[in-house]
Amino acid sequence: DAMVIQNPRYQVTQFGKPVTLSCSQTLNHNVMYWYQQKSSQAPKLLFHYYDKDFNNEADTPDNFQSRRPNTSFCFLDIRSPGLGDAAMYLCATSREGGPGSYNEQFFGPGTRLTVL
Amino acid sequence: AQKVTQAQTEISVVEKEDVTLDCVYETRDTTYYLFWYKQPPSGELVFLIRRNSFDEQNEISGRYSWNFQKSTSSFNFTITASQVVDSAVYFCALCKTSGSRLTFGEGTQLTVNP
Repeated sequence: DAMVIQNPRYQVTQFGKPVTLSCSQTLNHNVMYWYQQKSSQAPKLLFHYYDKDFNNEADTPDNFQSRRPNTSFCFLDIRSPGLGDAAMYLCATSREGGPGSYNEQFFGPGTRLTVL
Repeated sequence: AQKVTQAQTEISVVEKEDVTLDCVYETRDTTYYLFWYKQPPSGELVFLIRRNSFDEQNEISGRYSWNFQKSTSSFNFTITASQVVDSAVYFCALCKTSGSRLTFGEGTQLTVNP
C-alpha cells in the first residue's frame, strides 16, 4: 500500500547528541512536511519542502535542519537535542499544484523522541 | 493570521451516544481548506475529511457527519452511535493554499466508554 513511513518509531538520544529521523513515502507527493507534537499539544509545523524548495517556519530553532535528497525521502536532523525537544515528530506529504492537487496531508505514524 | 479553536478539551460519552465536536476558525483568506484528523493512541494522524471554503454542503460518511457553516466560521463534526474505537484525539485544522501549513486546533480528547 502507498504510504508514509517513518523510522524509527521510537528514538532515544542523549542530551546534545545529534540525531536524525527519517521519512519516506511511496505516494509520489511533491510536498513533504515535518511537524513537532509535544505531549497534549497540537502538531506544530517546523518546515516543509515544496519539491526541492525548503521552507522554514519563522520560529523553528536553528537546531533543527532538514534534507530531502530525492522525492521519496526527507530527513529531520536535530543537531544538539535538548530536553525540550522530546516530542513526537510527524512527517506528512501532500500533492500540490497542477491537476489533481488536493491539499490534504497524509501523515506517517510518527517518531517518538526521548532525550536523556 | 489563522486560528482554529476547539473549545472542548475533553468529552466523555457512553457507547451509542451521539457526540458533536466543535470547531471554530478565523482567517482573512477567501479561499481556504478545513480538515478533521483523528489521532488514536498509536499517534498517527488519520485524515477524515477536507472541505474547501466554497463548498458548504454538509457531508455524511457512515456514522460521521460534518456541518460547515461559513456564516459562523464553524466546521463541526458529529459521530452518531459512538463506539469505543472512536476514542481518540480529534483535531480540526485549516490551511490557506497549496503547500502551506496546517493550523491545528488544540484537539478534543474523546473517550467513549462501554
